[in-house]
Amino acid sequence: NAGVTQTPKFRILKIGQSMTLQCAQDMNHNYMYWYRQDPGMGLKLIYYSVGAGITDKGEVPNGYNVSRSTTEDFPLRLELAAPSQTSVYFCASSLTETQYFGPGTRLLVL
Amino acid sequence: DQQVKQNSPSLSVQEGRISILNCDYTNSMFDYFLWYKKYPAEGPTFLISISSIKDKNEDGRFTVFLNKSAKHLSLHIVPSQPGDSAVYFCAASSSSGGSNYKLTFGKGTLLTVNP
Repeated sequence: NAGVTQTPKFRILKIGQSMTLQCAQDMNHNYMYWYRQDPGMGLKLIYYSVGAGITDKGEVPNGYNVSRSTTEDFPLRLELAAPSQTSVYFCASSLTETQYFGPGTRLLVL
Repeated sequence: DQQVKQNSPSLSVQEGRISILNCDYTNSMFDYFLWYKKYPAEGPTFLISISSIKDKNEDGRFTVFLNKSAKHLSLHIVPSQPGDSAVYFCAASSSSGGSNYKLTFGKGTLLTVNP
């Protein structure tokens, strides 16, 4: 039981490039979430999903897209990367209020 | 506006003493509260939670107290150990209006436990 896994661990992007952050969970959780954490700040919700095929915006969705084709996977897509997207990204999953987090992806946009 | 506030960015305590981390919230619809612990370069890990129908929940060295009238909760760690040194996040959730278990996080408090 690996829990929540995220790849890659670290990535450097040039401005305008795009990439997909991968997230997978093996706990059969319905709910999945993407957060970003900026230095000295709490976690801010980007997008979330209540099940396969159903996604919705969180607090800071601009510049991102998501899809949920299976229960296990919830990739986050960055189109046209900007320096403001430099952050640490965390994926989480849950059955109820208690969310379980992956180890994070550190993204640097230069 | 910040709905969950952790007003102390950092806290330093001696090993063996009590650590008290505080959290305030403004949204009266919040009815479930959680504490997460985060080490550098790792994801947050769930520590303890409390429902608004309770005012205290205990798990080993960790106790969370909830004061609904003051919209305040606190996490007590007794006795504190050097391995407790981490950032602690307070988070809140509302069960109303199809919240989908979304959490609102505070900015975190860095706890340092000195040997």
